[in-house]
Amino acid sequence: DGGITQSPKYLFRKEGQNVTLSCEQNLNHDAMYWYRQDPGQGLRLIYYSQIVNDFQKGDIAEGYSVSREKKESFPLTVTSAQKNPTAFYLCASLLAPGDTEAFFGQGTRLTVV
Amino acid sequence: RKEVEQDPGPFNVPEGATVAFNCTYSNSASQSFFWYRQDCRKEPKLLMSVYSSGNEDGRFTAQLNRASQYISLLIRDSKLSDSATYLCVVNLMNYGGSQGNLIFGKGTKLSVKP
Repeated sequence: DGGITQSPKYLFRKEGQNVTLSCEQNLNHDAMYWYRQDPGQGLRLIYYSQIVNDFQKGDIAEGYSVSREKKESFPLTVTSAQKNPTAFYLCASLLAPGDTEAFFGQGTRLTVV
Repeated sequence: RKEVEQDPGPFNVPEGATVAFNCTYSNSASQSFFWYRQDCRKEPKLLMSVYSSGNEDGRFTAQLNRASQYISLLIRDSKLSDSATYLCVVNLMNYGGSQGNLIFGKGTKLSVKP
């Protein structure tokens, strides 16, 4: 079955560490997105990518980095520069802009310890 | 003005009630529209797409009014299992800026009580 997979489901980070969240899709979707969701809040866009080897900053890109070396993969690195990284991170993919729905991974819950 | 606005609720309704959610959007280039459901600590899942002609799926009815830039979701005969947050989502044809092309409302929380 096609789908979008995030890993790990839970992640703990020490202060000052970089961590990488994985997002893989086998839906042959061109566009991929990373969102952050804080308790009781809406989704905020971190980065998105329309095509391989290209990505754009979202509203809250500071302290995060991404790469898009393969169509299937869009990993997110939470760097030590992100001062408040504890949140629920969601990856999504989309076949094409304009007329299709987005599919989400199951999310990664990151906690700073 | 925010791109997509929803009443945050919470809407507290008894089982069997009919409840309606509204959503307004500001970008006239919006191409397609969706309602997603998000359960606590889970990912959003597509509930239904929204078309100008309106569409119905069982107890759920969605409507789009392009002239007024307004989307609605009606839930009839509410069940306990309908308790969740409902997200209005707009898909723009063109990517642009720091919001990309998928614009999410902040969600409306529904709580159905016995």
